[in-house]
Amino acid sequence: SQQGEEDPQALSIQEGENATMNCSYKTSINNLQWYRQNSGRGLVHLILIRSNEREKHSGRLRVTLDTSKKSSSLLITASRAADTASYFCATGKGNQFYFGTGTSLTVIP
Amino acid sequence: AAGVIQSPRHLIKEKRETATLKCYPIPRHDTVYWYQQGPGQDPQFLISFYEKMQSDKGSIPDRFSAQQFSDYHSELNMSSLELGDSALYFCASSATNGYGYTFGSGTRLTVV
Repeated sequence: SQQGEEDPQALSIQEGENATMNCSYKTSINNLQWYRQNSGRGLVHLILIRSNEREKHSGRLRVTLDTSKKSSSLLITASRAADTASYFCATGKGNQFYFGTGTSLTVIP
Repeated sequence: AAGVIQSPRHLIKEKRETATLKCYPIPRHDTVYWYQQGPGQDPQFLISFYEKMQSDKGSIPDRFSAQQFSDYHSELNMSSLELGDSALYFCASSATNGYGYTFGSGTRLTVV
């Protein structure tokens, strides 16, 4: 399975702190994506990093990809209470992609 | 901008009944994906369609079937519903030369 696995499973931080979530996967990929999901709501695409990229930024988000270690990290800087959600990585190859188990982030105001 | 539209938002069915979920992708998106997310679980890939043809199949039960129509909307048909089918069903769409995938808000199916 190409399924990604995130760690930690749950993370609780104070507002203003940085949050780092990691994702590991098993096989070769074309790209890796991070999604956010508020409780019971839809998945929102955050950022896509291609297999030939090592780092990507989008606003307060920074994603790294290490294909040699088959791992990625998502850093959210200067967290806000509104960042409270579950974050999933999804690995893709071909015409489907697989989600990891997710990290539940709680940002305490 | 138009997003992926799923209907209905909520659906309650009894065991052994049939349910049909609909997904309307973003205009000009040619690929549709279906995912199932059980309570507290990660989304699981069910099936995908590209240009109205099934392109990939994941962990979709034999009781489920899906198709993509000429207007690119897709329907997921679920028969002989079981309690374990209660979940959030997401549809996503993408364009061949696009960037990332856009998800709908999901259909919450409750089987009682």
